[in-house]
Amino acid sequence: DAGVIQSPRHEVTEMGQEVTLRCKPISGHDYLFWYRQTMMRGLELLIYFNNNVPIDDSGMPEDRFSAKMPNASFSTLKIQPSEPRDSAVYFCASSPTALGGYTFGSGTRLTVV
Amino acid sequence: SQQGEEDPQALSIQEGENATMNCSYKTSINNLQWYRQNSGRGLVHLILIRSNEREKHSGRLRVTLDTSKKSSSLLITASRAADTASYFCATDNNAGNMLTFGGGTRLMVKP
Repeated sequence: DAGVIQSPRHEVTEMGQEVTLRCKPISGHDYLFWYRQTMMRGLELLIYFNNNVPIDDSGMPEDRFSAKMPNASFSTLKIQPSEPRDSAVYFCASSPTALGGYTFGSGTRLTVV
Repeated sequence: SQQGEEDPQALSIQEGENATMNCSYKTSINNLQWYRQNSGRGLVHLILIRSNEREKHSGRLRVTLDTSKKSSSLLITASRAADTASYFCATDNNAGNMLTFGGGTRLMVKP
């Protein structure tokens, strides 16, 4: 198994632009999680899905953030419009259960200038 | 909000020494997990200990859990330079439906 695959690895964009981050979870994992990591705030859960359905999006910071999971093998996290304070590393993780061991992707390092 | 908090925030040891990291949490849990993160990489799951377990081993890793004190420790024996990484504990949130991560312990093992 190739693990959780995220793209792109790095993204540099200008303030106000739309950014789309992508994630392919491990096949058979029913749970998908989006986390954001910064030095100041550590790892924050943004949203998670169970069987492609968003369950808890209370961690999404603002309406500028949206996430979708159109099928079991693909999820996106979109920021529109992006702001410099959105700069962070965004991780996608998947798991067969809500509280099992999570498998993380390599992350997308987003820089908004 | 973070449920678990690691201590110390940073730890520097010599190769061959043991490294001990601690995690404290606030509310009752179903399980507690430890993860490792190498610089620039994603987190890697190391070990899971259930609330009814007190100790668990995996290779050079030993995890203990004291639910009465709401704390856990991760011991890495005979450390190697390759163990240099950040280590995070994770616990389930109040609703028991997802994990929250602590701030991590940065471990440096000097060759």
